[in-house]
Amino acid sequence: DAGVTQTPRHEVAEKGQTIILKCEPVSGHNDLFWYRQTKIQGLELLSYFRSKSLMEDGGAFKDRFKAEMLNSSFSTLKIQPTEPKDSAVYLCASSFSDWGLYAEQFFGPGTRLTVL
Amino acid sequence: AQSVTQPDARVTVSEGASLQLRCKYSYSGTPYLFWYVQYQRQGLQLLLKYYSGDPVVQGVNGFEAEFSKSDSSFHLRKASVHWSDSAVYFCAASPNMGYKLTFGTGTSLLVDP
Repeated sequence: DAGVTQTPRHEVAEKGQTIILKCEPVSGHNDLFWYRQTKIQGLELLSYFRSKSLMEDGGAFKDRFKAEMLNSSFSTLKIQPTEPKDSAVYLCASSFSDWGLYAEQFFGPGTRLTVL
Repeated sequence: AQSVTQPDARVTVSEGASLQLRCKYSYSGTPYLFWYVQYQRQGLQLLLKYYSGDPVVQGVNGFEAEFSKSDSSFHLRKASVHWSDSAVYFCAASPNMGYKLTFGTGTSLLVDP
């Protein structure tokens, strides 16, 4: 079974650019999460989708970060415009939840973003 | 506020030695508890999870963890480490029947060959 796929694995952007990160969850999973990982802040939840509906949109990230789930097998995270402080690893995770019971999350390899 | 604390930022052990990585949580009620491992430049992989029942849970690659309600802890153990176990280990918790994972800051494990 394919796990969570993320592309690209590395991205270098100039300040002010728009970048789009992509994620394909595990087939059959209905929950999808976007996290940001930095050494200082650790892992922070950016967005959470359940069955393609946006359930949580991390407050601190709202103004320049926009996650979308166009279908059950594909999600994007757009950062517009990028700033150097956005340099981090962006992780996508998926899980299957049923009847209100949430299961463990499976993580992708991440996209390492560097903003110059 | 809900929190997960991993008090040891770095741990170094010799290959073949036993290992314990500490994790304490602060949650109302009993949360779901997880240990994840992150190898260099990779995503997080689930080692084991605790939802309820037997407080000692077995995971992959010989890892186990013990839940203690009285101590609010979920320590990770391994009887004999291998150099390939060198990685960063994250303890995480979510509310019972909730989705929101709270991660600890991670413990970087170095196994001397």
